[in-house]
Amino acid sequence: AQSVTQPDIHITVSEGASLELRCNYSYGATPYLFWYVQSPGQGLQLLLKYFSGDTLVQGIKGFEAEFKRSQSSFNLRKPSVHWSDAAEYFCAVAFGNQFYFGTGTSLTVIP
Amino acid sequence: EAQVTQNPRYLITVTGKKLTVTCSQNMNHEYMSWYRQDPGLGLRQIYYSMNVEVTDKGDVPEGYKVSRKEKRNFPLILESPSPNQTSLYFCASSLSAGVPLPQHFGDGTRLSIL
Repeated sequence: AQSVTQPDIHITVSEGASLELRCNYSYGATPYLFWYVQSPGQGLQLLLKYFSGDTLVQGIKGFEAEFKRSQSSFNLRKPSVHWSDAAEYFCAVAFGNQFYFGTGTSLTVIP
Repeated sequence: EAQVTQNPRYLITVTGKKLTVTCSQNMNHEYMSWYRQDPGLGLRQIYYSMNVEVTDKGDVPEGYKVSRKEKRNFPLILESPSPNQTSLYFCASSLSAGVPLPQHFGDGTRLSIL
């Protein structure tokens, strides 16, 4: 069965520090990959997606992600975190017409 | 404004009392989907619909029903709710162009089944 793993349940970073959130997937072919962000009390907002082509994709709010086929990973990065980035982040994979989400990583940003 | 609207946002009810959570989108999207979000489990897909009158089961369909009679609406029906269906529910929609496109999410419906 397809699965998405986000090994870090919670991450704390200082404002201005760099950030990397990990995502691994289990899937036979190259999947369609997404990162979403969820602020408290709100729905999910798309940060970026990977379908094919360049394995480094740029998203909104200064985020980027790199697809590494050999590692079945799609890690999210940001060079300098802002206090407003505190939220929950979800990695998602699409297989056929179904979507599979990771369990999420909660990000705390300290001043 | 492009949006996915869910109602109600909050509901407390009792076991066995049928309820419906409505979902409506104004973007003329073909694909619509329901998810439930539980702590430590992330989001899990309940049902999805590729277009009017076309629905299919996701990962956790047991205890739920859906219908897609109009393109814009995709209600989630709990015919006999049970406490294990207490959760945060999200509706989402997207264009469907042969590939799974990013979805627009509603703001969620928090259900408590006593």
